[in-house]
Amino acid sequence: KNEVEQSPQNLTAQEGEFITINCSYSVGISALHWLQQHPGGGIVSLFMLSSGKKKHGRLIATINIQEKHSSLHITASHPRDSAVYICAVRAGGGADGLTFGKGTHLIIQP
Amino acid sequence: KAGVTQTPRYLIKTRGQQVTLSCSPISGHRSVSWYQQTPGQGLQFLFEYFSETQRNKGNFPGRFSGRQFSNSRSEMNVSTLELGDSALYLCASSLEIGNGQGNSPLHFGNGTRLTVT
Repeated sequence: KNEVEQSPQNLTAQEGEFITINCSYSVGISALHWLQQHPGGGIVSLFMLSSGKKKHGRLIATINIQEKHSSLHITASHPRDSAVYICAVRAGGGADGLTFGKGTHLIIQP
Repeated sequence: KAGVTQTPRYLIKTRGQQVTLSCSPISGHRSVSWYQQTPGQGLQFLFEYFSETQRNKGNFPGRFSGRQFSNSRSEMNVSTLELGDSALYLCASSLEIGNGQGNSPLHFGNGTRLTVT
């Protein structure tokens, strides 16, 4: 059974700080997703990774397949980045749907 | 291009009733997946459809069912509602190429918030 662990569960930081959210999983995967959820429920897909590193604006996502670990970084954080960040993985072979982490509640204070 | 549309946005039902939720994917997307989100369990996978075929099913009782139509629209049904079924139900669509390997970026709808009393 695939398990996904995120850390930290909660994070409060000051505007401008560099933010790192971690995700570890237990089985081989075919893809890993980073999602953002704002209050009210809407979910936005930030990245989908199967290897290496991706960058979009101030957001960077990396994955280490051998160590079964991914990180989401936010540079020059801003209060509008305040949200829940969720990691989700699909096991290798695609035989299962996504397994989700519990999410990281991020608050950026001005 | 219109996003993923879920209807209704809010629903209140009584224990024992059944409910049908609808999801219209982004035009051209052939894959639709459904998720349940509760404060206690977080996000959990319900089902995934690709070209009208159920590709995967999560660990939910048989009261939860779904289907996908030829136009890629999808519905999910919950029969004999229980209080614990109160949740936000989200669907997501993705653009699959070829035979569909299940690994494309997801586009989520705003969800249907179901309250069972």
